[in-house]
Amino acid sequence: NAGVTQTPKFQVLKTGQSMTLQCAQDMNHEYMSWYRQDPGMGLRLIHYSVGAGITDQGEVPNGYNVSRSTTEDFPLRLLSAAPSQTSVYFCASRPHRATGELFFGEGSRLTVL
Amino acid sequence: AQSVTQLDSQVPVFEEAPVELRCNYSSSVSVYLFWYVQYPNQGLQLLLKYLSGSTLVESINGFEAEFNKSQTSFHLRKPSVHISDTAEYFCAVSVETSGSRLTFGEGTQLTVNP
Repeated sequence: NAGVTQTPKFQVLKTGQSMTLQCAQDMNHEYMSWYRQDPGMGLRLIHYSVGAGITDQGEVPNGYNVSRSTTEDFPLRLLSAAPSQTSVYFCASRPHRATGELFFGEGSRLTVL
Repeated sequence: AQSVTQLDSQVPVFEEAPVELRCNYSSSVSVYLFWYVQYPNQGLQLLLKYLSGSTLVESINGFEAEFNKSQTSFHLRKPSVHISDTAEYFCAVSVETSGSRLTFGEGTQLTVNP
């Protein structure tokens, strides 16, 4: 009963380093998305995908890349980390035509020094 | 574009007291409204949603929210809270039933004290 699985749960990077946050879901959901959560700002949408091979930008896409080669996986890449990307990142998924209920992973806490 | 404002960042209450978490939205078109709850060190979970029909919606654990179109509000209420209700609560709005572009409020930390 895994649901949405995110790895790693914690990561510390130096400015300029690159890394990938992994997200996998086992519910056969077409829609997957990445949010970042910052104090006092709620959750902001970074990128999303409505199916394999299809991705689109959300509210705050700069500095992040995504790809969707399979239904199950939706990795988020930071190409050159900056301190402004220190945040908690959440992956969420749902069936394509579901009425609003997103299923969230437990989050990945990233610190960029 | 739609937006959401949660009017209180922190709400401390005593156990068994009533609570109201306030949420206002703005949109030029019809909206769909949601409340999510985040327990410590966990992801968000859907608490309840309004899509259409009755303006009063309820969750399985005693919370309710009322959609008020004239006041553009979707406040969350519970008549008697428990320690286990301590969590952060997020109001969210979408202009599509699919919810693909959910816009979240800033969050309200509810702390229930014994």
